Amino acid sequence: GAGVSQTPSNKVTEKGKYVELRCDPISGHTALYWYRQSLGQGPEFLIYFQGTGAADDSGLPNDRFFAVRPEGSVSTLKIQRTERGDSAVYLCASSLISGADTQYFGPGTRLTVL
Amino acid sequence: KQEVTQIPAALSVPEGENLVLNCSFTDSAIYNLQWFRQDPGKGLTSLLLIQSSQREQTSGRLNASLDKSSGRSTLYIAASQPGDSATYLCAVRQVGGSEKLVFGKGTKLTVNP
Repeated sequence: GAGVSQTPSNKVTEKGKYVELRCDPISGHTALYWYRQSLGQGPEFLIYFQGTGAADDSGLPNDRFFAVRPEGSVSTLKIQRTERGDSAVYLCASSLISGADTQYFGPGTRLTVL
Repeated sequence: KQEVTQIPAALSVPEGENLVLNCSFTDSAIYNLQWFRQDPGKGLTSLLLIQSSQREQTSGRLNASLDKSSGRSTLYIAASQPGDSATYLCAVRQVGGSEKLVFGKGTKLTVNP
């Protein structure tokens, strides 16, 4: 079956613009996670959804970042007023149920803010 | 706050060599520890997961050990191959209900033919 997919694979934007990054989890997976990986760093947790609700958003760096999962499947990470420091690879992962051991990762979206 | 450190940051070895990658974590209250592989431009692939009650896990040429009390894990790769070249990431999941993984910065491995 299909794995986690993320679109776009690459996004280049200008400072101050708004961007949306999309994640399609594995079909039937109820838990969805967003991580951010800066160059030379390991992934850092942003937010976790169980179903439609954000169960843990403690990793969102500030109020310019927001994520939704309105139907409990596809999720969108939204970044307002982008800054150069937002440039990173944004990774999405899903797992079958909350608490399941394995998180399956997508290929990521590389965001570049000029 | 949990911190995960991986040493070395980069490693270059000739094909066929056995090697060890190291991971340490500051808070021993973990639920499990996982080793991932990351290839350029691709997502993470889970290699081995060790529950906190376990000491080691094996898969093919890979063996991961866990010493929770000392906050250490090692990933042993036997008879390395050029196809093993990738970045290897260690991640822990904390006890306490949070689903998030805390990652190290990774070890970039190059296996030369």
